[in-house]
Amino acid sequence: AQSVTQLDSQVPVFEEAPVELRCNYSSSVSVYLFWYVQYPNQGLQLLLKYLSGSTLVKGINGFEAEFNKSQTSFHLRKPSVHISDTAEYFCALQPGSSNTGKLIFGQGTTLQVKP
Amino acid sequence: DTAVSQTPKYLVTQMGNDKSIKCEQNLGHDTMYWYKQDSKKFLKIMFSYNNKELIINETVPNRFSPKSPDKAHLNLHINSLELGDSAVYFCASSPNGGAKPLHFGNGTRLTVT
Repeated sequence: AQSVTQLDSQVPVFEEAPVELRCNYSSSVSVYLFWYVQYPNQGLQLLLKYLSGSTLVKGINGFEAEFNKSQTSFHLRKPSVHISDTAEYFCALQPGSSNTGKLIFGQGTTLQVKP
Repeated sequence: DTAVSQTPKYLVTQMGNDKSIKCEQNLGHDTMYWYKQDSKKFLKIMFSYNNKELIINETVPNRFSPKSPDKAHLNLHINSLELGDSAVYFCASSPNGGAKPLHFGNGTRLTVT
């Protein structure tokens, strides 16, 4: 069985500071990895994805993530956050052997950007 | 212009009632999903349909019955609502196959009193 663990439930940070949201996964098969963002009262929006190839992936809004197979991690980073980045962030995996599109989500991390 | 749209956005009802949530996508995707987000914001898949055929049913109570009249629509009917059904329900769609990101609707907040 696969699982995703987001290590921080809440991350408070000041505006223009760097941030890292941590995600670890567990799987006996290869996986595809995703980060989604959920703004208040909205649906989930894809930030970035790792399918294969370069382990550093860049997404929208200045976010990037690094896939580390040995550490089974996929941490999300941004060098300088804005107030507008305040949202819930979800890490998710999809088994590489699956063709159903099913996503397994982590518990979410609330990013609180303070002025 | 909305890619995945759900109605209603909010639904407040009493225990024991039957309610439906509708979902439509205009992205031409073949696969649609229902996810449930609980009060702790944890997201879990409930159902998935591919071109009107049920492909995922994740041990959801029989009171929940999805229906897909065509590949652009996936509705969720809930019978005999219970307090524990209170949650946000998200519809999503994706193209066929793995490694395809899901596109989510804005959710339906269901409150059962």
